[in-house]
Amino acid sequence: DAGITQSPRHKVTETGTPVTLRCHQTENHRYMYWYRQDPGHGLRLIHYSYGVKDTDKGEVSDGYSVSRSKTEDFLLTLESATSSQTSVYFCAISESTTVTHGYTFGSGTRLTVV
Amino acid sequence: AQKVTQAQTEISVVEKEDVTLDCVYETRDTTYYLFWYKQPPSGELVFLIRRNSFDEQNEISGRYSWNFQKSTSSFNFTITASQVVDSAVYFCAPTGGSYIPTFGRGTSLIVHP
Repeated sequence: DAGITQSPRHKVTETGTPVTLRCHQTENHRYMYWYRQDPGHGLRLIHYSYGVKDTDKGEVSDGYSVSRSKTEDFLLTLESATSSQTSVYFCAISESTTVTHGYTFGSGTRLTVV
Repeated sequence: AQKVTQAQTEISVVEKEDVTLDCVYETRDTTYYLFWYKQPPSGELVFLIRRNSFDEQNEISGRYSWNFQKSTSSFNFTITASQVVDSAVYFCAPTGGSYIPTFGRGTSLIVHP
């Protein structure tokens, strides 16, 4: 089921470099989300989008920016990566706010900042 | 903002035992949803159930059942006759007025053969 794909799946980058993670969906869902998952913290919302060019911050948005120029793509950018941003990043999509069928998550991107 | 507590960090059982995963949530909203997700060792997140705040009926799906108690703000998840394939991290996630889930820290369930 390839309705949502994340790229890259793994990335190692150096502190201070910019990094962009991509989330691509083929479901034509309006809502898209970026979460990070860290041990002991569960999943925490970074940013989300409720339409093309419409985005908003989540609880851990500092150091991250997002863009959504097309319905199918939601990009997460770390402008200057830090070691604290080493994490597993998940993208999710939903057709509406009522989320009748739950969010659909991508397979995740494991990012290591050295 | 909503808050969720999954007090059990890790639970270890032997196959065929019943196990209950606890979830206590806090929200100021009168309308909200509650979710459970499963994350097996392979890492993907799998949607299990969604309940809305107006529907307090318990739900059963095969070996899985959910007990929603609005009076105690709990949404507990029971697996009957656990199997090794149930080994995973389970997340409870309430929403608030924004309808965006806030995930708990998760409970790691280990089912031994």
